[in-house]
Amino acid sequence: GAVVSQHPSRVICKSGTSVKIECRSLDFQATTMFWYRQFPKQSLMLMATSNEGSKATYEQGVEKDKFLINHASLTLSTLTVTSAHPEDSSFYICSSGYNEQFFGPGTRLTVL
Amino acid sequence: GQQLNQSPQSMFIQEGEDVSMNCTSSSIFNTWLWYKQDPGEGPVLLIALYKAGELTSNGRLTAQFGITRKDSFLNISASIPSDVGIYFCAGQLKGGSEKLVFGKGTKLTVNP
Repeated sequence: GAVVSQHPSRVICKSGTSVKIECRSLDFQATTMFWYRQFPKQSLMLMATSNEGSKATYEQGVEKDKFLINHASLTLSTLTVTSAHPEDSSFYICSSGYNEQFFGPGTRLTVL
Repeated sequence: GQQLNQSPQSMFIQEGEDVSMNCTSSSIFNTWLWYKQDPGEGPVLLIALYKAGELTSNGRLTAQFGITRKDSFLNISASIPSDVGIYFCAGQLKGGSEKLVFGKGTKLTVNP
């Protein structure tokens, strides 16, 4: 199956700063990627659909100005958490694929 | 939005026992996927199903796409300690690059 990488795997930042998370599709050209967040002991919650060359589609309740998504190439989508707050601390995961979705290893964000 | 009802929520079994979990939906799905997630990692695809009635195996794992297209089950035979984790079902209403709908997960504990 497709191989998806994420960077960084862990990040700790101060409240008010911005954090960028990268998602790369290593062996698959992805016109669409998905971004999820996952709180402890919960299922994955879809945040947005990242579309190559166009604006992302955000799920209801997800602030597009806070979670900036850029999908500038067929292999890279980035999620920037702007002005991060402690409540943004979570596990962020991306996925890519066609029919079968393959997930990255996730990024653990901790906002102090 | 769409929801998948996954059960059981958790299971505690002895090594060597067989396990069964299932997902149901009020909507018809074109694709059913089963994932396993270990702590601190992204979900890993176990089995993908595309046709109603389809029965697919992957080693000790067997999954079926319900004939009504509204349900799917996953069986694990002769469980071993490394089967421990959280299993998620996911579905696509249409397929392709469409977003996934997730179940809430089944947490499996295997006692050696």
